[in-house]
Amino acid sequence: AQRVTQPEKLLSVFKGAPVELKCNYSYSGSPELFWYVQYSRQRLQLLLRHISRESIKGFTADLNKGETSFHLKKPFAQEEDSAMYYCALTRLTGGFKTIFGAGTRLFVKA
Amino acid sequence: DTGVSQNPRHKITKRGQNVTFRCDPISEHNRLYWYRQTLGQGPEFLTYFQNEAQLEKSRLLSDRFSAERPKGSFSTLEIQRTEQGDSAMYLCASSPLGADTQYFGPGTRLTVL
Repeated sequence: AQRVTQPEKLLSVFKGAPVELKCNYSYSGSPELFWYVQYSRQRLQLLLRHISRESIKGFTADLNKGETSFHLKKPFAQEEDSAMYYCALTRLTGGFKTIFGAGTRLFVKA
Repeated sequence: DTGVSQNPRHKITKRGQNVTFRCDPISEHNRLYWYRQTLGQGPEFLTYFQNEAQLEKSRLLSDRFSAERPKGSFSTLEIQRTEQGDSAMYLCASSPLGADTQYFGPGTRLTVL
């Protein structure tokens, strides 16, 4: 069965500190992995996806198939990064069902 | 195009009543998804459509839930005989193709008294 685990419900860091939001998944097939973000009073939106290999707002995420992880990283956190972050997996075979993790709330302190 | 829209934004109903929500996806997006989100949890998959065809339903979707996308454009989600456990945020998303980025609506918050 597909599963996405985000072990931290809350992550609090100081401005300028590095941040890493953890995401582990279980899926036997080929997945497409995403990070979605929800800022206060805004709708859920894409931050980045692994296939694009982009850096968005200074965030990067590397798919590690051996460890089945897709951790989100940023070297220097900013106050405007404070938001709810969701890791998501879409299976590429047998339909395009998407499973979300429970989310991690990132709080960047001044 | 203003993105995915959902109506109503809020719905309060009494237990046992039926409710219907509407989702208007981004034009020309073939895929449309419904999710349910409760406090402290991520969006939980309910069902999705490719054009007008409903391709998958979650086992969590009881017989009281039904979704349609009659012309491959907007979609409706109906909940019959609502229960207090149905209280949640119902999210709709659309995407142009299969495993592509999903664009979310603002959600409909349902409260069952």
